Amino acid sequence: KAGVTQTPRYLIKTRGQQVTLSCSPISGHRSVSWYQQTPGQGLQFLFEYFSETQRNKGNFPGRFSGRQFSNSRSEMNVSTLELGDSALYLCASGHPTGNRYEQYFGPGTRLTVT
Amino acid sequence: AQKVTQAQTEISVVEKEDVTLDCVYETRDTTYYLFWYKQPPSGELVFLIRRNSFDEQNEISGRYSWNFQKSTSSFNFTITASQVVDSAVYFCALIRGETSGSRLTFGEGTQLTVNP
Repeated sequence: KAGVTQTPRYLIKTRGQQVTLSCSPISGHRSVSWYQQTPGQGLQFLFEYFSETQRNKGNFPGRFSGRQFSNSRSEMNVSTLELGDSALYLCASGHPTGNRYEQYFGPGTRLTVT
Repeated sequence: AQKVTQAQTEISVVEKEDVTLDCVYETRDTTYYLFWYKQPPSGELVFLIRRNSFDEQNEISGRYSWNFQKSTSSFNFTITASQVVDSAVYFCALIRGETSGSRLTFGEGTQLTVNP
């Protein structure tokens, strides 16, 4: 079974630009979550989508947004990029039914804002 | 609010030594799930184990073992006979209850270096 894929793997953007990151979950998984990882703040939850609906949202400004498509693929968008948005963005897919909360992470997209 | 604390920022051991990574959590929920993930230099978080709050049975998987103690709110991870390939950052994490979806709260991580 193919794992979680994220594209692109690396990205360099300039302050003020916007960026869209993509995540394809494991086949059959309906939940997709996004996390931001930085050296200073560690791993922080951005948002979670389940069946095209945002189910949870972390404490990030409105510049961070996401969506999920009917095939469970998800995108996250960051508008008006700031230097502090430089981070590794990780996507996780899961199928949290019953007692299953196992989430599987993709390789991440490393975003550098200059 | 929930919190996960990994007090050990960095640990360095010599190959074949045993090493324990500590994890302490805080939550008011009676139902919760605890996890350990491994992050090698490639960046991908690798799932190691999930434990629910009603199952305090310790688990062993090869050289890995986990000790879950609700009385001390700890979920420690031991690697026996460590190997160089175990070098990575290890994260402990928690998911609240049945209604919070899949939102993981992570600890700060412990950088483990296993020297040959």
